Amino acid sequence: AQTVTQSQPEMSVQEAETVTLSCTYDTSENNYYLFWYKQPPSRQMILVIRQEAYKQQNATENRFSVNFQKAAKSFSLKISDSQLGDTAMYFCAYSTGTASKLTFGTGTRLQVTL
Amino acid sequence: SAVISQKPSRDICQRGTSLTIQCQVDSQVTMMFWYRQQPGQSLTLIATANQGSEATYESGFVIDKFPISRPNLTFSTLTVSNMSPEDSSIYLCSVSGGRTEQYFGPGTRLTVT
Repeated sequence: AQTVTQSQPEMSVQEAETVTLSCTYDTSENNYYLFWYKQPPSRQMILVIRQEAYKQQNATENRFSVNFQKAAKSFSLKISDSQLGDTAMYFCAYSTGTASKLTFGTGTRLQVTL
Repeated sequence: SAVISQKPSRDICQRGTSLTIQCQVDSQVTMMFWYRQQPGQSLTLIATANQGSEATYESGFVIDKFPISRPNLTFSTLTVSNMSPEDSSIYLCSVSGGRTEQYFGPGTRLTVT
C-alpha cells in the first residue's frame, strides 16, 4: 500500500523568507502523481502544485516549487517570499491516476510571522 | 477548476440520529469522492461515487454506516447513520479535475453530542 510521510508537524517562517516542507512516500508504482494541498483555517482544501512522476522537471507555480527526487521518493515544497496568507496546514498527497483516490500525509502546520 | 458547494456547512447532531450531506458541482463530473477529516488529522477516503453505479468503499467504511447516492453527474449525498461522538469530523467531497488532481468542496463540520 502507498504511504505518504510528512515528518514536520509544525514549522514557522518569517514573512519574505523561504521555507521548505518535506514529504516522502512509498510506492511500487512507476507512474504516479504527487500534490501539495493547502488547508487554511477556513478548511477549504486548495491545490498548490502537482507533479507527474514521469517528468524529470520540477513543477513550479509562482512562489511555489517542488524538489522531486524519484529515486529517493522525496517530494519537498519550497515556498519563496513567504506571505502571511501562506499560513495553513499543508498536505502532501499521492495518486496513481485520474480516477484514483488521493492518499494524504499527516500534514505540516506552517505559521508565517511578521 | 470546478466550483463545489456542500450543505450544510456545519451541524450539531445527537447520537443515534442520521445526517445527510449534499455535494453540488457546477459542471458534470464522472468521479466524486467523499473524505473524512477527524479533528487534527489528515484526510481519509470514505468512498468513490461513480454516477450510475454503486459507490466503492474503502476498508473500514461500510455502506450501512455511510450510504451514498449519486443520482446525476453534478450531485451526490453522503449520509452518516446512527451517529456516535466518534463520527465528529469534517466531511469533504471532491471531484476529479479531468487530469489527476482533485478539487474539494468547503467541507461539512459535524459535531455529535
